[in-house]
Amino acid sequence: AQKVTQAQTEISVVEKEDVTLDCVYETRDTTYYLFWYKQPPSGELVFLIRRNSFDEQNEISGRYSWNFQKSTSSFNFTITASQVVDSAVYFCALSDPGAAGNKLTFGGGTRVLVKP
Amino acid sequence: EAQVTQNPRYLITVTGKKLTVTCSQNMNHEYMSWYRQDPGLGLRQIYYSMNVEVTDKGDVPEGYKVSRKEKRNFPLILESPSPNQTSLYFCASSLSYGNQPQHFGDGTRLSIL
Repeated sequence: AQKVTQAQTEISVVEKEDVTLDCVYETRDTTYYLFWYKQPPSGELVFLIRRNSFDEQNEISGRYSWNFQKSTSSFNFTITASQVVDSAVYFCALSDPGAAGNKLTFGGGTRVLVKP
Repeated sequence: EAQVTQNPRYLITVTGKKLTVTCSQNMNHEYMSWYRQDPGLGLRQIYYSMNVEVTDKGDVPEGYKVSRKEKRNFPLILESPSPNQTSLYFCASSLSYGNQPQHFGDGTRLSIL
């Protein structure tokens, strides 16, 4: 069975600090996809990034970066120089194409609070 | 603008009164699904559809119905809503099944009294 664990339930930082969100996943499949979504206070779910299991390259997009390590089954997310607008709940999710329903298995989410 | 549109955004209703939450996407996506989000339980899939006229149950389908008569629309029907269906509901779509990211609507907050 698939499982995604986000051990940090809430992180509070002061603006301009870096923050790293941990994500550890479990799956028996060799082909799978990992995602990060952002849920701001307004409630919508915003897609941030997708990574497939064969691509272990780290990725940077502006102040966001992602570190995928297959050996430790982790897909961590770092926000550099955080801003108040980064305050949100961030979800890591796993998709296994072989599983019925193309279901996304979500972690419990990490609430990030960036204080001015 | 590419988007998934849900209506209504908010609804307060009473037990037993049938309701429908509409979902429409303008991206010509094949795959659509419904999730509910509850505190402590996270996001769980209710139903999904791989294409027109093809639907199947997710993890928590009890008390819900769906239909997919057109590619762009995937309504969620609560025939006889109960208080345990009070939740935040999300519709999602993706280009195809498997590796494509799912794009979510803005959510519908349902309160069943």
